[in-house]
Amino acid sequence: QSALTQPRSVSGSPGQSVTISCTGTSSDVGSYNFVSWYQQHPGKAPKLMIYDVSERPSGVPDRFSGSKSGNAASLTISGLQDDDEADYYCCSYAGGYIHVIFGGGTKLTVL
Amino acid sequence: QLQLQESGPGLVKPSETLSLTCTVSGGSISSGYYWGWVRQPPGKGLEWIASISYSGTTYYNPSLRSRVTKSVDTSKNQFFLRLTSVTAADSAVYYCTRDTGFVRKIDYWGQGTLVTVSS
Repeated sequence: QSALTQPRSVSGSPGQSVTISCTGTSSDVGSYNFVSWYQQHPGKAPKLMIYDVSERPSGVPDRFSGSKSGNAASLTISGLQDDDEADYYCCSYAGGYIHVIFGGGTKLTVL
Repeated sequence: QLQLQESGPGLVKPSETLSLTCTVSGGSISSGYYWGWVRQPPGKGLEWIASISYSGTTYYNPSLRSRVTKSVDTSKNQFFLRLTSVTAADSAVYYCTRDTGFVRKIDYWGQGTLVTVSS
């Protein structure tokens, strides 16, 4: 089972919006609404930003939003701030045998 | 506030067994969640290893299943990872985690511990 496909990098200026895609298959992203997104700053543990495709944990700004269409999920960050510069990983449930699969990660640069 | 803390050797020899402990504080490991491990080789992405419920139901990454053992000690509020026959490819930061089942959301992470496999 290959990792979910994410762009290696994206960038945007402060105040702009960026979208990070996460492409899977009909066996994972396409079959379950259990897609989550994690933010990771250098040297730090990942932090949950989105779960169940579009739900935000308490404390996560509403600038972060998630969606899904078919076999692909997306994370959109609006009103970019300097602190949003980090690596972002998507994750999907993939059924009983594979169980869980992560994306390869996307480096977000705030210009 | 729930906290997870990994502990274990930072250096393991090739072909030997990697053993890590995660100590949970600020909450009970018997609270109905799943307790797991995720690793990250230096400069690379995240890889899910396994998750176990307090009652012992366990799910494994198929690529690691044959080498991984997970267990829980509810009396000590700890859970454990054993990875046998390690190679340099197992060198990584290992995070212990809490998830809500089906790894729908990993809402708590330990700070991570670097394990290097080298002779």
